[in-house]
This record gives sequence, structure tokens and C-alpha cells, in this order.
Amino acid sequence: QVQMVESGGGVVQPGGSLRLSCAASEFIVSRCGMHWVRQAPGKGLEWVAFIRYDGNSKYYGDSVKGRFTISKDTSKKTLYLQMSSLRPEDTAIYYCAKDTPFFDPQGNIDSWGQGTLVTVSS
Amino acid sequence: DIQMTQSPSSLSASVGDRVTITCRASQGISTYLSWFQQKPGKAPKSLIYAASTLQSGVPSRFSGSGSGTDFTLTISSLQPEDFATYYCQQYNAYPRTFGPGTKVDI
Repeated sequence: QVQMVESGGGVVQPGGSLRLSCAASEFIVSRCGMHWVRQAPGKGLEWVAFIRYDGNSKYYGDSVKGRFTISKDTSKKTLYLQMSSLRPEDTAIYYCAKDTPFFDPQGNIDSWGQGTLVTVSS
Repeated sequence: DIQMTQSPSSLSASVGDRVTITCRASQGISTYLSWFQQKPGKAPKSLIYAASTLQSGVPSRFSGSGSGTDFTLTISSLQPEDFATYYCQQYNAYPRTFGPGTKVDI
């Protein structure tokens, strides 16, 4: 089974910063596009950000643009989400997810991590 | 941005029922549509991609259809483990928007 393990969640005050990590295999980090998707308590799924397999393209949802940064370190086999200027409405479980490998013409999400909870509260 | 809608938002069904969920995109997305299943307290699970192709290991009672703007997810004979929330997602363009979800309960 594909394994991706998120970490870094916790409680942070409004206006604060937090960095999430998603540990995966070298194959996944180097050959698959990767996403962050979040889910506020009792709500649906919200797509947050994407990084292309080669790191050359990044995309963000409107609600996080300018505040969140997606990146990865292939040598550490890890995906990151740097979150700043956090707001109470950013409170959610954050999931990392992977696309099919770059050579697959579909490019759809096919696997998910278990998620890490971020709570923004004073 | 492409907006995704789903109907119904929730439904009640019994084991053995045939269940159909509809997903609509605000503009044409060809067949760049996925379906995900999520059970309470669990991460989502990928069910279907390319509108109609089952992910490996997904039971054949699940099926998907559609193209352009209108899509359906069908469960031919509902099983106890199928009670969950189902989401569609388009991957034709960024942002990759999800539908609001359809909760299937007893």
C-alpha cells in the first residue's frame, strides 16, 4: 500500500505560522505531482495546493494564495506546506495526496495520507 | 474557476438498494473527473478516475459514467461498508475543485 505520512499539525494562534510535512517514498516525491487538501470540522474537502513532479509548477486555492507555500525536498522524500498569517478558518485536517506518476496521461489523485490536524485559535 | 455541484446532498438507503449520485461541472471537463469515498474519521479513498475507470481493488458494484458537464456514480447493490460520504472532483483545470459531497446513510 502507498504510504504518505503527514506531521506538523498542532495549535497555533491567529496570525501565526506552521509548517506541515508529508513523508513519502522517493518514487512518489520525484515522479508524482502532489497535493494538499484540507477538511474543516464537519465540512467537505477543499483543495489547497499542488506541486508538479519536477517542482516547476505550483498552484494554489484562492483562499490560501499568498499565505501558503508548497514545496518539496526530494533528497528528504518529503512534501511541505508552509502556512503563514493563519486564520481561524484555516482550522482543518490537512491531507497530502498524490497524483498518478508523470508518465500517466490522466494525472488524477490516487492515494491519500491519513491527515494532520491544524487548529488556529487564541 | 470550475464549480462542482452534487445531488442529492444526502440520501437514505437500505442494503441491496441501487444508489445514484449526480455531479455537475460548471463548464466542460471532458472525462477528467474522479470520485472519492470518505468514512467518518478516515482519509478519503479513491474510487473512480477518468469518469468511469475503477481504481484497483474497488468492487465492481461501483460504476461511473458521464462526460462534459454531467456525471453519475452508481452503486448497484449497496453494502453495509458503502455507507459513507462521496465526493466528485474535477482535474481538468486548477484549482482542482471538489463537489460538496453526498452523504449516504441508512
